[in-house]
Amino acid sequence: DGGITQSPKYLFRKEGQNVTLSCEQNLNHDAMYWYRQDPGQGLRLIYYSQIVNDFQKGDIAEGYSVSREKKESFPLTVTSAQKNPTAFYLCASSIDTGGSYNSPLHFGNGTRLTVT
Amino acid sequence: GENVEQHPSTLSVQEGDSAVIKCTYSDSASNYFPWYKQELGKGPQLIIDIRSNVGEKKDQRIAVTLNKTAKHFSLHITETQPEDSAVYFCAANQAGTALIFGKGTTLSVSS
Repeated sequence: DGGITQSPKYLFRKEGQNVTLSCEQNLNHDAMYWYRQDPGQGLRLIYYSQIVNDFQKGDIAEGYSVSREKKESFPLTVTSAQKNPTAFYLCASSIDTGGSYNSPLHFGNGTRLTVT
Repeated sequence: GENVEQHPSTLSVQEGDSAVIKCTYSDSASNYFPWYKQELGKGPQLIIDIRSNVGEKKDQRIAVTLNKTAKHFSLHITETQPEDSAVYFCAANQAGTALIFGKGTTLSVSS
């Protein structure tokens, strides 16, 4: 079945350590996205990418980094500079022909990161 | 940039009643308005979407209405069932920008 796989489902790290969240899709979608979800805050955009080797900052990119070396993969690194990294992280993809970003998003089931 | 406000934050209804969730957006250039449903521990799933050239769209018990003049759109669920209980998110964007989401509405349907 086609879909988006995020791993692991739960991740625990010590403060001061960088951590990388995995996101892989086999939908042949062009665009990929990272959102952060906190209770009562909805989904806030961290980074998004339309094509390989290109990505744009979202509303809350500070303390995060991404790469897009392959169409299928869009890993997110939470760096030690992120002040409040504990959250639920969601990866998504969309067909996004032509860079319109007006196509439905397909989400993975998320990674819950806890930093202590 | 775009800002999306969603109300109410929580909504409780009896099984069989209707539920309405409302969103307003700030950018008059926005032209795509999807709604997502998120069940506990899972990622959101698209349930219905509408584009700016349409005023209303319906899919079985779910409908969305769009008022571009007032910059608001609403989700209507009729004949609610316990399995409709979830968190619902509205979103908006214009061509060339990523979706911006509202803060979500937790819907509880009691039998």
